[in-house]
Amino acid sequence: RKEVEQDPGPFNVPEGATVAFNCTYSNSASQSFFWYRQDCRKEPKLLMSVYSSGNEDGRFTAQLNRASQYISLLIRDSKLSDSATYLCVVNKAAGNKLTFGGGTRVLVKP
Amino acid sequence: GAGVSQSPRYKVAKRGQDVALRCDPISGHVSLFWYQQALGQGPEFLTYFQNEAQLDKSGLPSDRFFAERPEGSVSTLKIQRTQQEDSAVYLCASSSGASLSTDTQYFGPGTRLTVL
Repeated sequence: RKEVEQDPGPFNVPEGATVAFNCTYSNSASQSFFWYRQDCRKEPKLLMSVYSSGNEDGRFTAQLNRASQYISLLIRDSKLSDSATYLCVVNKAAGNKLTFGGGTRVLVKP
Repeated sequence: GAGVSQSPRYKVAKRGQDVALRCDPISGHVSLFWYQQALGQGPEFLTYFQNEAQLDKSGLPSDRFFAERPEGSVSTLKIQRTQQEDSAVYLCASSSGASLSTDTQYFGPGTRLTVL
C-alpha cells in the first residue's frame, strides 16, 4: 500500500463548477501537509499548505482530518487554467523529504 | 531571482551508459533534494543534502545511483550502467532551512532521461 493515495481521476469539471477530491495518508507521524500543482511536463509547484483548522486561498480550500488521516482540496468557480494534476504531499517530522501521492488529474472544460 | 536550474533538460542514453545530471539550487539554500518521477506517477524521494553532507540516501534504488554536492551548492546525480527502468524525470528541489519540516521546497524543471 502506498503511503499517500489519491484518486488518479480525471475529474472532468465544467467551467465555473466546484470540484473536490481527497487523499489519504498512512503514516500517523506525518506533520506537514501540502497540495502541489503540476502542469503537463512541468515541475511541481506549491499550491498551498494544509493546516488542521482548514485554510482557504482564494477559490481553493484545503482541509485536514488527522483522525481519519485524509486531506481534501476544494476548488470553487473552476477556471480553464485550473486544469492540472494536483499532488497531495506529506512530510514527516524527522527529515524533510516529501512523500507524494500519485496525483489527481483535473480537466476543466468550457 | 533565479530559481532552481537543471541540466541537461533532456538526455537519451543507450542501455549501459553512464549519465550525470546537474542541479543548481537557489543561491543560499541549505537543503537540496533529488526525486525521481516515472510517467503517470508522483515524484519519489531519492536523496537529501544539507550543505555538502548527504544526510539521507534511503531512496536511491540501487548502488548504480550516486549523488554528490561537494561544495554545498551544485549537486550531481550520477547513474552508472543505465537500465531501461531508469527512464524517468529527475527533479531537483531546494529549500532554505536546515531542519524545519515546513520549509517550502522549490523544484527545478527536471531532466527527462530516456534509456534505450
